Amino acid sequence: QVQLQESGPGLVKPSGTLSLTCVVSGGSISSSNWWTWVRQPPGKGLEWIGEIYHTGSTNYNPSLKSRVTISIDKSKSQVSLKLSSVTAADTAVYYCARINDILTGRPFDCWGQGALVTVSS
Amino acid sequence: SYDLTQPPSVSVSPGQTASITCSGDKLGGKYACWYQQRPGQSPMLLIYQDTKRPSGIPERFSGSNSGNTATLTISGTQAMDEADYHCQAWDGSTGVFGTGTTVTVL
Repeated sequence: QVQLQESGPGLVKPSGTLSLTCVVSGGSISSSNWWTWVRQPPGKGLEWIGEIYHTGSTNYNPSLKSRVTISIDKSKSQVSLKLSSVTAADTAVYYCARINDILTGRPFDCWGQGALVTVSS
Repeated sequence: SYDLTQPPSVSVSPGQTASITCSGDKLGGKYACWYQQRPGQSPMLLIYQDTKRPSGIPERFSGSNSGNTATLTISGTQAMDEADYHCQAWDGSTGVFGTGTTVTVL
């Protein structure tokens, strides 16, 4: 049973860089799955941020692409998210999730508990 | 960009059927997924590939997708089904979520 655990600073200053880590346990990070980040501003819907494969291949949301970097460290079984030049609009709960590439339609079949990041001075 | 639109809220009486729509251009040509998110919890996969339920998801949840609209149907709605529901699809290599629907069981 794969489990995902996000961690990182809960408070980031405006214009700074948001950094989060997702540790993958109970399964191989190098399996045939992509790993993704999704965020949810307070009281709002879900927004896809981007995804990464264990080879390092990435895809990003075009609306965030200029500010986002997703990386993978297979030795630590973790996926990382960096979002630069943050503003209050980036305040959200950030989720790490697994995309099951075996299932048709690439569903997000496993989610972390989420990490709240507030952007404020 | 590709947009998926859902009604903000749906109300249903216990035991009745709730239908939640997700509209997007030619959505029927893509695969739709649905997620349930109870208050204070992470989303959970309910439906994938338009109609399929993962192991452990009750049969009262069903999905369909045709034309420009995907639909999640909850039959025999229970109080525990009160939650937010999100549709999702892929537009090429970009993931897209719907605007989300809050289901209230009155």
